[in-house]
Amino acid sequence: EPEVTQTPSHQVTQMGQEVILRCVPISNHLYFYWYRQILGQKVEFLVSFYNNEISEKSEIFDDQFSVERPDGSNFTLKIRSTKLEDSAMYFCASSRGPTVVGRTEAFFGQGTRLTVV
Amino acid sequence: QKEVEQNSGPLSVPEGAIASLNCTYSDRGSQSFFWYRQYSGKSPELIMSIYSNGDKEDGRFTAQLNKASQYVSLLIRDSQPSDSATYLCAIIQGAQKLVFGQGTRLTINP
Repeated sequence: EPEVTQTPSHQVTQMGQEVILRCVPISNHLYFYWYRQILGQKVEFLVSFYNNEISEKSEIFDDQFSVERPDGSNFTLKIRSTKLEDSAMYFCASSRGPTVVGRTEAFFGQGTRLTVV
Repeated sequence: QKEVEQNSGPLSVPEGAIASLNCTYSDRGSQSFFWYRQYSGKSPELIMSIYSNGDKEDGRFTAQLNKASQYVSLLIRDSQPSDSATYLCAIIQGAQKLVFGQGTRLTINP
């Protein structure tokens, strides 16, 4: 069964460093997303990406964050100058895209646990 | 008012019984509703999607939607210990963005 894969599973970085989280979405999916979950809190939307551009982003997704689809398979999240409060699980997700707007099912990768020290 | 509200639990149900999980949402224009299951330290796993008023059944799971009351629920029949997890209710906001509730922690007692 196709699945979203993420690497690495765990990343430890020093405050102020840059990290890149990687994702391979399901191959026939057109929409890609990043979500994050701080320990004990709810899953929060960061950004959605379609047709090689950001389609929507949240207030969390400020200039510190960027996304890229560098080739036909990978989707990356870059966090520049990490802060302690960036420590969280980061989930990549993908969806086929709606035949009717909104009617789409998103499937999540296993996540990258980012720890900023 | 929170966009998606769930009772955080924990909800304890004996094995073999029916577990009932509830969710309310504030956006009356919402059209798409999802239940995800999340085991501790793992990613959300899609269980059910529902788009129309009424019931939708899939195996031991039944999702129920009442748009007039802005209410969506998930029933798990013949609950098993492996069903113990946090259940996340989510809606689509805008074109594609998922908005999650806090989740309800469910424990099935053998």
